[in-house]
Amino acid sequence: NAGVMQNPRHLVRRRGQEARLRCSPVKGHSHVYWYRQLPEEGLKFMVYLQKENIIDESGMPKERFSAEFPKEGPSILRIQQVVRGDSAAYFCASSPADGNYGYTFGSGTRLTVV
Amino acid sequence: DQQVKQNSPSLSVQEGRISILNCDYTNSMFDYFLWYKKYPAEGPTFLISISSIKDKNEDGRFTVFLNKSAKHLSLHIVPSQPGDSAVYFCAARSGGSQGNLIFGKGTKLSVKP
Repeated sequence: NAGVMQNPRHLVRRRGQEARLRCSPVKGHSHVYWYRQLPEEGLKFMVYLQKENIIDESGMPKERFSAEFPKEGPSILRIQQVVRGDSAAYFCASSPADGNYGYTFGSGTRLTVV
Repeated sequence: DQQVKQNSPSLSVQEGRISILNCDYTNSMFDYFLWYKKYPAEGPTFLISISSIKDKNEDGRFTVFLNKSAKHLSLHIVPSQPGDSAVYFCAARSGGSQGNLIFGKGTKLSVKP
């Protein structure tokens, strides 16, 4: 499968727990983007990463949220001490380094906080 | 403060007719515009794009028009097919080739057989 792989597809967490969302980009893509979609809303940019570097995190909440894209392995979006308002679909996208303008999106992780 | 606006949450058209989805933007620094299509429980898929130096781009049944003076773009689908029923997102990019995309809220298109 050459697409962006996100797991898990569905994640249920109780308030106060941690959520870890994983994203494996398209093979050869070195740029990863995380977006969040709240109900009835569009996709909101969260963070843009290249291997081992955060390029733009202007869309990330200041607390509880962090992201990484290590040299080896998938990109991880981590949400600590989740609250009900974190319930959303989280989409990861990737692109190559050569200026391709179209991202390839994964199928998303739907996080439900109970 | 929405920089990319899709003012119609939904649109219903008859199969075979034209679907026109509209998008307005406020940032004159946007240099690239894209349309994505999204089915329920799936990620968005890239449909068509246009550079700010052009006013039209066509790909099969899909055509995107850009009016820079009005800061407006539209996606035309003709003829519309039931399989086109999905949510369509308009997106805009600034900041060079790897700038992040800013999305509108989407328009849900329903094509009736």
